[in-house]
Amino acid sequence: SQQGEEDPQALSIQEGENATMNCSYKTSINNLQWYRQNSGRGLVHLILIRSNEREKHSGRLRVTLDTSKKSSSLLITASRAADTASYFCATQTGRRALTFGSGTRLQVQP
Amino acid sequence: NAGVMQNPRHLVRRRGQEARLRCSPMKGHSHVYWYRQLPEEGLKFMVYLQKENIIDESGMPKERFSAEFPKEGPSILRIQQVVRGDSAAYFCASSPEADYNEQFFGPGTRLTVL
Repeated sequence: SQQGEEDPQALSIQEGENATMNCSYKTSINNLQWYRQNSGRGLVHLILIRSNEREKHSGRLRVTLDTSKKSSSLLITASRAADTASYFCATQTGRRALTFGSGTRLQVQP
Repeated sequence: NAGVMQNPRHLVRRRGQEARLRCSPMKGHSHVYWYRQLPEEGLKFMVYLQKENIIDESGMPKERFSAEFPKEGPSILRIQQVVRGDSAAYFCASSPEADYNEQFFGPGTRLTVL
């Protein structure tokens, strides 16, 4: 089974609304990262939160991490049509490799 | 500073042929990671290399797949005797040092096996 599982699998909202995506994982981690992937493109790093952090902000992004529940959430405020993409959480343990979830496909309607 | 470069962007092969995927990391980066993405799925780790060394190949199939990162030149992911199930997007990522957590991804190579 996957280390990271995103929820929901797909999300459609109107421009200006907030979008919340959740990620659950199974093992202990060093950090959790969120990436965005536009259709047919590579991944773009959005934000990293370490295991000893609970919340982090970057522009319109807010990430929370609850290590007791092994879960994280990504909030995008005041969404724009350009935010339309797939969003992936990825965990990093002692190994260097990232373990990705299956992603949330976000559609922002103009 | 150019980002991670991958070529070709699209590759079509017939069953049984060989596929060679190339990745040039960002300037100054000596750590390279290869991931595979099937349609509608997340990325799956394949192999992690430093210059001239394979550090972790736990995600790479034991047969037909190999990877290298020579002292000079790009990292190469080689798939021999491709099968239809190898059709996927293959992404390369790089980082500057072992303790740097963020990975910088290339645009990917989309392999189609006919």
